[in-house]
Amino acid sequence: EAQVTQNPRYLITVTGKKLTVTCSQNMNHEYMSWYRQDPGLGLRQIYYSMNVEVTDKGDVPEGYKVSRKEKRNFPLILESPSPNQTSLYFCASKTGEGGYTFGSGTRLTVV
Amino acid sequence: SQQGEEDPQALSIQEGENATMNCSYKTSINNLQWYRQNSGRGLVHLILIRSNEREKHSGRLRVTLDTSKKSSSLLITASRAADTASYFCATDRYNQGGKLIFGQGTELSVKP
Repeated sequence: EAQVTQNPRYLITVTGKKLTVTCSQNMNHEYMSWYRQDPGLGLRQIYYSMNVEVTDKGDVPEGYKVSRKEKRNFPLILESPSPNQTSLYFCASKTGEGGYTFGSGTRLTVV
Repeated sequence: SQQGEEDPQALSIQEGENATMNCSYKTSINNLQWYRQNSGRGLVHLILIRSNEREKHSGRLRVTLDTSKKSSSLLITASRAADTASYFCATDRYNQGGKLIFGQGTELSVKP
């Protein structure tokens, strides 16, 4: 089944403790992206990658890092999480037709 | 900043009725897409309409695009309780590297 897989689905962590949210797609898509979704602010792009070793900032990149060492994986790294990064995170990859396939989401709480 | 703005913010209808949601945007686009999100879940791609298209159908969904007015509408015909979800429009703008800009969404409630 064609899909984008994110892990974990839920995560509670403490301020300053580095964490990684993994994202993997099995569709050989070149373009991948991370979004965060917050009430009243909607979905905002954090980082995107147009291909292996090519990444760029989205609208809200502060406090996040990404890497794209291979086509299928696009992890999101929070080096020193803070409470304002509490959010619902989505990874997505772009199909050849232009639509996005989204993962199921990661609900992160930073205390 | 969010480009798409959906209207209404919330819509409540009875099963069998049609639901219409509108989306406006500000800049030139390559295409406009509609997504559905069930509470707290991932977004599901529904339909994509390109800037040179005016209308598109997929099952019970009908999407229109008016680039002169920078607006789109999503019509769900003969709605079902299972259509209850949030619906988002998203625009793929020129020279933005494929980034999708999402609106705030319309919460649709279909009562049995």
